[in-house]
Amino acid sequence: DTGVSQDPRHKITKRGQNVTFRCDPISEHNRLYWYRQTLGQGPEFLTYFQNEAQLEKSRLLSDRFSAERPKGSFSTLEIQRTEQGDSAMYLCASSLVESYNEQFFGPGTRLTVL
Amino acid sequence: SQQGEEDPQALSIQEGENATMNCSYKTSINNLQWYRQNSGRGLVHLILIRSNEREKHSGRLRVTLDTSKKSSSLLITASRAADTASYFCATDADGSRLTFGEGTQLTVNP
Repeated sequence: DTGVSQDPRHKITKRGQNVTFRCDPISEHNRLYWYRQTLGQGPEFLTYFQNEAQLEKSRLLSDRFSAERPKGSFSTLEIQRTEQGDSAMYLCASSLVESYNEQFFGPGTRLTVL
Repeated sequence: SQQGEEDPQALSIQEGENATMNCSYKTSINNLQWYRQNSGRGLVHLILIRSNEREKHSGRLRVTLDTSKKSSSLLITASRAADTASYFCATDADGSRLTFGEGTQLTVNP
């Protein structure tokens, strides 16, 4: 039984560069979520997919952020023209909407923007 | 803004003691989920309690939910040093996103 996986686990980049993160959900889960967590805070919702459809985006998700889930399986989150304020842990979660939306999280990708 | 608010923000106890953490929220919910997070790691799902449930148990964990007071509590019995972590409650108001509080940092001293 494999859980949610994320890649890379750590990313250090320079301001202005583009970065892309990948999330592989639990295989039978139809929902996939992205959250962002800064130090000392709880995670904040960014966006989510049901199958391949992106159903909701937070106002936190500026136009520099884009997420895809092309075949309803894995998802990517891209940040263009990174800023120091983008430094955070990016967490992915998946769920089966038929099971009360119980969300299981991956290990996260820690982004540091220099 | 965060819907869930955990109380206390930090809790330090001795191994073997019980730890109780509280969570308050503001809107009606479908369910409430508790998570544990070790420093710098991902979130581990502990327990989900539905809005029509009042109490749930899982091993040494006991969760209660009072929808009239919009509050929940997590009790960890017979704590161990390995329970040292941050604990978050998260509310599901509409079957989609979770809204998290800022967490309770639990330290269990051996």
